[in-house]
Amino acid sequence: AAGVIQSPRHLIKEKRETATLKCYPIPRHDTVYWYQQGPGQDPQFLISFYEKMQSDKGSIPDRFSAQQFSDYHSELNMSSLELGDSALYFCASSLYVVTGELFFGEGSRLTVL
Amino acid sequence: DQQVKQNSPSLSVQEGRISILNCDYTNSMFDYFLWYKKYPAEGPTFLISISSIKDKNEDGRFTVFLNKSAKHLSLHIVPSQPGDSAVYFCAASAAGNQFYFGTGTSLTVIP
Repeated sequence: AAGVIQSPRHLIKEKRETATLKCYPIPRHDTVYWYQQGPGQDPQFLISFYEKMQSDKGSIPDRFSAQQFSDYHSELNMSSLELGDSALYFCASSLYVVTGELFFGEGSRLTVL
Repeated sequence: DQQVKQNSPSLSVQEGRISILNCDYTNSMFDYFLWYKKYPAEGPTFLISISSIKDKNEDGRFTVFLNKSAKHLSLHIVPSQPGDSAVYFCAASAAGNQFYFGTGTSLTVIP
């Protein structure tokens, strides 16, 4: 069965550069969540989208933005990267109308040098 | 402020014995609770869930117990197997909105 696809799996950037992470949800899932997991930390909620509209916002820095496109894939854009942005970024998808589990991608590891 | 807490960062259990992972939460509006299992370099995978209208849900070797008055849930794995060694996260949500995760408990099952 198709799972949540994230790309790239690994990304290395310099400070003050820009990075874009992509997430392709499970087909027919209408909700996408972005989480950031720093070393030794729990996943922190960043932002979510339902039917291409932002549905909830967590601890997402102003330097970050995200959107969900008409094909339901989502992109997380991170600008003016800082060393502290180095983390594993997980995308998860779900069917909003069903209070069920999140299906996570394998994550994108961002390293800021 | 951490709304979902897992106070034990690690747990070691002998193969065949019971593993009990605990989770506490502070938000009384949470109505749906989930456990995720995570292997290194992989995304979390769903394990088992429970709605606030229940106090127990069982799926094979995995059972989740919910004590709403104590704002506490636990995951029981019995019998524990070496393949169960992973980091376990509990998560909670209110009305299907954002999911709050605990900090995780690393379970090691010793053969």
